Amino acid sequence: GAVVSQHPSRVICKSGTSVKIECRSLDFQATTMFWYRQFPKKSLMLMATSNEGSKATYEQGVEKDKFLINHASLTLSTLTVTSAHPEDSSFYICSAIPFPPSSGSGNEQFFGPGTRLTVL
Amino acid sequence: RKEVEQDPGPFNVPEGATVAFNCTYSNSASQSFFWYRQDCRKEPKLLMSVYSSGNEDGRFTAQLNRASQYISLLIRDSKLSDSATYLCVVLRYNFNKFYFGSGTKLNVKP
Repeated sequence: GAVVSQHPSRVICKSGTSVKIECRSLDFQATTMFWYRQFPKKSLMLMATSNEGSKATYEQGVEKDKFLINHASLTLSTLTVTSAHPEDSSFYICSAIPFPPSSGSGNEQFFGPGTRLTVL
Repeated sequence: RKEVEQDPGPFNVPEGATVAFNCTYSNSASQSFFWYRQDCRKEPKLLMSVYSSGNEDGRFTAQLNRASQYISLLIRDSKLSDSATYLCVVLRYNFNKFYFGSGTKLNVKP
């Protein structure tokens, strides 16, 4: 149980295009999902908290107009990188917390497999 | 000061060795604690939650010391497949936010 999928797993795009990444909880519902990015040999950096039915909460320094987040249902959150530039190239990972928490799982978050974005 | 701090390593150990990692957290309001492992170019996967009473799962034992604000992970009888980066993660309920350590890299050698 507690499987999270992300799509696409890898994307290469030209500078200036927009890229949409989907994060789905497959066998549970999630009112809260998180979006992270990770640079090589660095830890995960939280970009934003995605709340179902309300606006996302962005971390300091993360441009909300650049990284659009939509959490329209209890199983889907999307991250759109608008007008992507080479410096946006990174590994983007989402995570979700089951709601209600499954027995014994507490507040563990479960991660999607990540999306590797390369902007040329 | 970082919310969560870990020794980045790497820890290079032979197969069969016992290895321990520590992680310190700065905010006493932190309320849930986890160890994740992350393989190269993959997503983190939950290894175990850390409970106040300590908990064990096979070769892995996690401990929490709230007074000193650290958690530990002990791996016994290391296997080659244990080679990974181990992430210490702390949840603060009031912010509903997870804080990650930078990870400790473990290399288990034959």
